Amino acid sequence: GDSVTQMEGPVTLSEEAFLTINCTYTATGYPSLFWYVQYPGEGLQLLLKATKADDKGSNKGFEATYRKETTSFHLEKGSVQVSDSAVYFCALISGGSYIPTFGRGTSLIVHP
Amino acid sequence: DTAVSQTPKYLVTQMGNDKSIKCEQNLGHDTMYWYKQDSKKFLKIMFSYNNKELIINETVPNRFSPKSPDKAHLNLHINSLELGDSAVYFCASSRRWGLQETQYFGPGTRLLVL
Repeated sequence: GDSVTQMEGPVTLSEEAFLTINCTYTATGYPSLFWYVQYPGEGLQLLLKATKADDKGSNKGFEATYRKETTSFHLEKGSVQVSDSAVYFCALISGGSYIPTFGRGTSLIVHP
Repeated sequence: DTAVSQTPKYLVTQMGNDKSIKCEQNLGHDTMYWYKQDSKKFLKIMFSYNNKELIINETVPNRFSPKSPDKAHLNLHINSLELGDSAVYFCASSRRWGLQETQYFGPGTRLLVL
């Protein structure tokens, strides 16, 4: 079946540090890939997405590139802020089932 | 304007009780979902409805029964609540059922079974 693997957290960084959160996947067919963010006490919201190989999704300084050859969709940001502290979820919808599948989430803590 | 709303936000109840959680979306979407998020933040899909028809029914005890009276509403009824049902339940919607569809989540219902 489909699955998403994310690096375990928490990831703890100082403000203005570079962020990478790794995400790899297995899926039936060619999936669409997503990053969602969950702030404390809230529901998830879409951060960015990519729907085909080599596409780059970007939003609010975050980027991720759909890499079919390595089945990866790593999230990056050049300079994190305290307000980026949240839980980040990598997710996919595959062409085989159309069922959304989420990774286990990576908690990011940014210190001033 | 709240796009996806859930009630109640918090629910504390005793083992063995029956409870319902309501969800409404005002986005005009065709597809709605229920997810369960455990204490370690793991998010698992439970059900999905497309145009009021059940299309996903994952491995969920039959004590859980979803109902979609119309496209804008998806409710979740839970019978004979157990301690292990304690979690945060999220409702979500998407424009339609498909490969590229973004999910829009509600704020969650925090259920605690004592």
